[in-house]
Amino acid sequence: ELKVEQNPLFLSMQEGKNYTIYCNYSTTSDRLYWYRQDPGKSLESLFVLLSNGAVKQEGRLMASLDTKARLSTLHITAAVHDLSATYFCATPSVGNDMRFGAGTRLTVKP
Amino acid sequence: DAGITQSPRYKITETGRQVTLMCHQTWSHSYMFWYRQDLGHGLRLIYYSAAADITDKGEVPDGYVVSRSKTENFPLTLESATRSQTSVYFCASSVGGGFEETQYFGPGTRLLVL
Repeated sequence: ELKVEQNPLFLSMQEGKNYTIYCNYSTTSDRLYWYRQDPGKSLESLFVLLSNGAVKQEGRLMASLDTKARLSTLHITAAVHDLSATYFCATPSVGNDMRFGAGTRLTVKP
Repeated sequence: DAGITQSPRYKITETGRQVTLMCHQTWSHSYMFWYRQDLGHGLRLIYYSAAADITDKGEVPDGYVVSRSKTENFPLTLESATRSQTSVYFCASSVGGGFEETQYFGPGTRLLVL
C-alpha cells in the first residue's frame, strides 16, 4: 500500500529564512503534486512534477522530484508571511487512487 | 460562475439521516473525485468517476454512494450518516488521465453529524 509521508508536519520559521519540506513515498511513482491550502480554504495546485529530476520554481518556492529516492522536496527561500499555509504533496497510487501526505503546516513569523 | 462548485457549503445533520453533497463543474472535465479531509489524515479519496455513468471506489468508500448521470455533476450521498463522517468534503475534477493530471478542487463542504 502506498504511503506518503511529509516532514515536518509543523514548521515555524522566521521571515527571510530558508527551509525545506520533505515528501517521501513508498512505491514507484513518476509524478508528484504539491498543493497549498490556506486555513478554511480549498486546495490550490502549486507544482506538477512529471519525471525524475524535475524541478519547478515559482517565486520563493522550488519543488524537485527524485523518483529513485522516492523523494520530493519543497524548498522555501527567504520566507515571507504570505507563505503561511498548509502544504500537501500527493502522488498517484498503483491502480486508481491518489494518496496525499498529512500536510505541513507552515507559519512564517515576522 | 465558471469552475467547480459545491453545495451546501455547511451542513449539520443527525445520525441516521441521509444527506447528499453536490458537486458541479463547468469545464467538462472527464474525471471527478470526492475526498474527505480530517485532521492528521490529509485527504483521502472516497470515490471517483472517469466519465458519466462510470464510478469507482477510492480508499474510504464505506458508507457513501455516488452517481454521475451527467458529466458536470457528481453528487455524494451518505445513506445513513454517522458521527465518524463528520469531516470536510472536497470535490475535484481533472481534464483527463485520471490520477496523472492536476486536480482542481472545489471550495469544500463542512459536514457535522450530531
